[in-house]
Amino acid sequence: EAQVTQNPRYLITVTGKKLTVTCSQNMNHEYMSWYRQDPGLGLRQIYYSMNVEVTDKGDVPEGYKVSRKEKRNFPLILESPSPNQTSLYFCASSTLGGPYGYTFGSGTRLTVV
Amino acid sequence: KNQVEQSPQSLIILEGKNCTLQCNYTVSPFSNLRWYKQDTGRGPVSLTIMTFSENTKSNGRYTATLDADTKQSSLHITASQLSDSASYICVVSDLRRYSGGYQKVTFGTGTKLQVIP
Repeated sequence: EAQVTQNPRYLITVTGKKLTVTCSQNMNHEYMSWYRQDPGLGLRQIYYSMNVEVTDKGDVPEGYKVSRKEKRNFPLILESPSPNQTSLYFCASSTLGGPYGYTFGSGTRLTVV
Repeated sequence: KNQVEQSPQSLIILEGKNCTLQCNYTVSPFSNLRWYKQDTGRGPVSLTIMTFSENTKSNGRYTATLDADTKQSSLHITASQLSDSASYICVVSDLRRYSGGYQKVTFGTGTKLQVIP
């Protein structure tokens, strides 16, 4: 089954403790992206990647890091999480070069206390 | 700045009734517009895609319309069911392609629909 898999689904952590949210897709998509979703603000792009070793900032990149060492994986790293990063996070992937929509993961609900 | 505005923010309707959700955008040049359905706590799933030349497209009980001149789209849900309760997000793609073929998209903030028995 074609899908984007995120882990974990739920995570509670303390301020300053580094964490990684994993994202993997099995569709051989070139494009992958991370979003956060907050009430009233909709989906906001954090980082995106157009291929292996090619990443760029989205609209809200502060406090986050990403890497794309393999085509299928695109982890999101919070080196020193803060309470304002409490949010619902989504990973998405797509092919490039056509009007293709995104396939989204099921989401990771992160709470930073 | 490209913007996508959706209305209403939230809507409650009785099961079996019809409803229409609106999406206005300023994205230019325009490539395509998608409607996504997002169940609570889950990732969005694409319902329809509209390109510049398309006026209407249906997917079961969902019918999307596009007026590229006025930069407006609507999503009409017929004979609503409890399972239609979700947020509906309008996403508009910019025609320009950046290096590597990337098309920038702009997300609306969504309309939260609740269908009650």
